[in-house]
Amino acid sequence: GAVVSQHPSWVICKSGTSVKIECRSLDFQATTMFWYRQFPKQSLMLMATSNEGSKATYEQGVEKDKFLINHASLTLSTLTVTSAHPEDSSFYICSATLTGSSEQYFGPGTRLTVT
Amino acid sequence: AQSVTQPDIHITVSEGASLELRCNYSYGATPYLFWYVQSPGQGLQLLLKYFSGDTLVQGIKGFEAEFKRSQSSFNLRKPSVHWSDAAEYFCAVGALLNTGKLIFGQGTTLQVKP
Repeated sequence: GAVVSQHPSWVICKSGTSVKIECRSLDFQATTMFWYRQFPKQSLMLMATSNEGSKATYEQGVEKDKFLINHASLTLSTLTVTSAHPEDSSFYICSATLTGSSEQYFGPGTRLTVT
Repeated sequence: AQSVTQPDIHITVSEGASLELRCNYSYGATPYLFWYVQSPGQGLQLLLKYFSGDTLVQGIKGFEAEFKRSQSSFNLRKPSVHWSDAAEYFCAVGALLNTGKLIFGQGTTLQVKP
């Protein structure tokens, strides 16, 4: 149980275009989802906390207009990287929590390469 | 402010040898503590967690960790390492009760020699 999927698993896009990454909780309803960014050989950096039906809460230093997060249902959150640039290339990981739980279930990650 | 420190960036052990990965945290209240493992290009898998109660917690894949409040530590151990244990290991602390936010350590890369 508690499986989280991400789609796509990897994506290559051209500089200036936008790309959307989906995060789905497959067998549970997730009231809260988190988006992380991970650079090579580094730890996970929390980008934002997404609650179903409300605006995402972004961490300090994360551009909300560049990284658009939508959490329209209890099983789906999306991260859209707008006007992507090569420096946005990274590994993006989402996670989801059950209501009242402090345990996060992680997706397999999405590798974004901006050329 | 909450923080997690994993002092060892990289550890190499021989297959069959014992393993201990260190984790120290800074947190104002009773922490929720986690150990995750990440294989290359993959997401994170939970090895074990500590919320309360017995300070020695058992996890999957033969791992265990001990919470020591006096040392602000939550070290991960395994008595006999297998080659498949080679991966990146992250210690994390739950930042605020019921928010679900986690703060991760820098990670420790485990290499296993045959």
